Amino acid sequence: NAGVTQTPKFRILKIGQSMTLQCTQDMNHNYMYWYRQDPGMGLKLIYYSVGAGITDKGEVPNGYNVSRSTTEDFPLRLELAAPSQTSVYFCASSQTYNEQFFGPGTRLTVL
Amino acid sequence: GENVEQHPSTLSVQEGDSAVIKCTYSDSASNYFPWYKQELGKRPQLIIDIRSNVGEKKDQRIAVTLNKTAKHFSLHITETQPEDSAVYFCAASGGGSEKLVFGKGTKLTVNP
Repeated sequence: NAGVTQTPKFRILKIGQSMTLQCTQDMNHNYMYWYRQDPGMGLKLIYYSVGAGITDKGEVPNGYNVSRSTTEDFPLRLELAAPSQTSVYFCASSQTYNEQFFGPGTRLTVL
Repeated sequence: GENVEQHPSTLSVQEGDSAVIKCTYSDSASNYFPWYKQELGKRPQLIIDIRSNVGEKKDQRIAVTLNKTAKHFSLHITETQPEDSAVYFCAASGGGSEKLVFGKGTKLTVNP
């Protein structure tokens, strides 16, 4: 099993550009999450999903959108990128009240 | 909603000493408390977790204790080694929510 995979690993965006961060898991987990981690800080939940077709906002959803059309994929969309969205983005998955498995992260810089 | 406080923010110990990191949570309905280790530039990885029906759990040099009455839980690392140097995060979830709320992290440095 590859676990949780994320693409791209690094990306530099200009202010106002858009992009999609990809996340895929092969563990058949129902629950998937998107976090952002600012330098020296903890993890803040952006969006999460409890199953295909179901998504909900986390702590910091503004400026982001998600979709969950399949169990495996949970892409995160950034519209009109802003410098405040410079961060490391982690996708994670879990099976109910169990361990969340994290992907390797995407390091995003908005200039 | 749930709020998790973590202390200290930085901790420096000598190799072989013990390290203790403490977290408090606000929602009495929380029932799952994991600890994650994040090495520099890497993803967070679970090192140990505890559920509210258990007071203590051990795994080799790592232990976690939970006090539900006081709403706090702690990570204990004994016989620390340089490879234990990392940022450690506590988290809490439960009460019908699948969301984990993380503490802000503790940077542990183990000096050889």
